[in-house]
Amino acid sequence: KQEVTQIPAALSVPEGENLVLNCSFTDSAIYNLQWFRQDPGKGLTSLLLIQSSQREQTSGRLNASLDKSSGRSTLYIAASQPGDSATYLCAVKGEGETSGSRLTFGEGTQLTVNP
Amino acid sequence: KAGVTQTPRYLIKTRGQQVTLSCSPISGHRSVSWYQQTPGQGLQFLFEYFSETQRNKGNFPGRFSGRQFSNSRSEMNVSTLELGDSALYLCASSYSSNTEAFFGQGTRLTVV
Repeated sequence: KQEVTQIPAALSVPEGENLVLNCSFTDSAIYNLQWFRQDPGKGLTSLLLIQSSQREQTSGRLNASLDKSSGRSTLYIAASQPGDSATYLCAVKGEGETSGSRLTFGEGTQLTVNP
Repeated sequence: KAGVTQTPRYLIKTRGQQVTLSCSPISGHRSVSWYQQTPGQGLQFLFEYFSETQRNKGNFPGRFSGRQFSNSRSEMNVSTLELGDSALYLCASSYSSNTEAFFGQGTRLTVV
């Protein structure tokens, strides 16, 4: 059974800092990994999708890497801003037809960026 | 293009009642998945529908059911509501099983 862990559970940084969020998964047989952002009481906003054949993806100030063999992914946020404050979730999609579109989520990292 | 739309946004129900939640996926998306989010359990997969067929099911009791219509819109139903069913219910749509998933804003269900 796939298990996804995110470290740290919470992080508080001053504005302008670069930061790294970590995600690990126990079963390396994944098809892709997706990073999401969730604001309090809201739905999930997709940030980056990395296919298992890729090593990294970039979008603006965000960069996500994937090391499938070691079961790890990192989300790098450059020059953090107060508007980046949210919970960040990573989710993996397993290989194989039986997985369908099912995503397995980590517990999330709650990020606070202080002005 | 329009995103994933979930209705209603908020619901308050009494124990023992039943409830139906609706999800309209992004146009052209054929896969719709449902998740339950609670503070204690995080995000848990309920089930997935693809081309009107349930393709995958999580570990939830039979009180939780769903369906998908020919236009890909999906509904989930919870019967005999329990206090523990209070949660944020999220719907996700994707074009196929291996493409990016997009989520709606969720339906906040409170059971009293």
